[in-house]
Amino acid sequence: QVRLLQSGAEVKKPGASVRVSCQTSGYIFNTYGLTWVRQAPGQGLEWMGWVAYNGDTKYAQKFQGRVTMTTDTSTGTGYMELLSLTFDDTAVYYCTRVSKSKCFDRWGQGTAVTVSS
Amino acid sequence: IVMTQTPLSLIATLGQPAAISCRSSQSLVHPDGNTYLSWYHQRPGQPPRLLIFEISKGMKGVPDRITGSGAGTDFTLTIDRVEAEDVGLYYCMQAAEFPLTFGGGTMVEIK
Repeated sequence: QVRLLQSGAEVKKPGASVRVSCQTSGYIFNTYGLTWVRQAPGQGLEWMGWVAYNGDTKYAQKFQGRVTMTTDTSTGTGYMELLSLTFDDTAVYYCTRVSKSKCFDRWGQGTAVTVSS
Repeated sequence: IVMTQTPLSLIATLGQPAAISCRSSQSLVHPDGNTYLSWYHQRPGQPPRLLIFEISKGMKGVPDRITGSGAGTDFTLTIDRVEAEDVGLYYCMQAAEFPLTFGGGTMVEIK
């Protein structure tokens, strides 16, 4: 059974950074990409970037220079680190598996990140 | 690519059909010939769930009464007979080119 289990909720101060993990199981990790999507309170879905199965990354321009997405193939875990947090970064962050059809066929449960002074 | 969904919200009747439209600002036909348009359903407090990929291919476990159609820049998600479990937000998404983009979402409620 495919599962994506994300790390727990975080509260950060403005200017800090956050690292969210995504532990996968139930499939061969390095045959699928991982992507990160966030959802601000009451808002829609926003694609942040992805890590291809071979480790190549592609980030949304909005997050370039501020986000890093990595994977650890030995543990089947993906990571998303976001720097220089502002109040606008308060959101639920989801990791998802990217299928061969470029759709997000499995989602993590989400990690709430709150930026508060 | 800008993805525009209509309507923003709809009130559906149990057992009756409902449809959501998604329009892209440019063609979603990828150079490889495929069209990477997918649909997701999100219930309150839950992560989204994939319903449809490549315009009309149903994800395993999605009921047959939920279908996708369209081509080029115009796409539709149709629910043939609305059931109570269909409430929530629906999003279309394009993966034809970076950055990947979602529609703004359509809220479905039951009358």
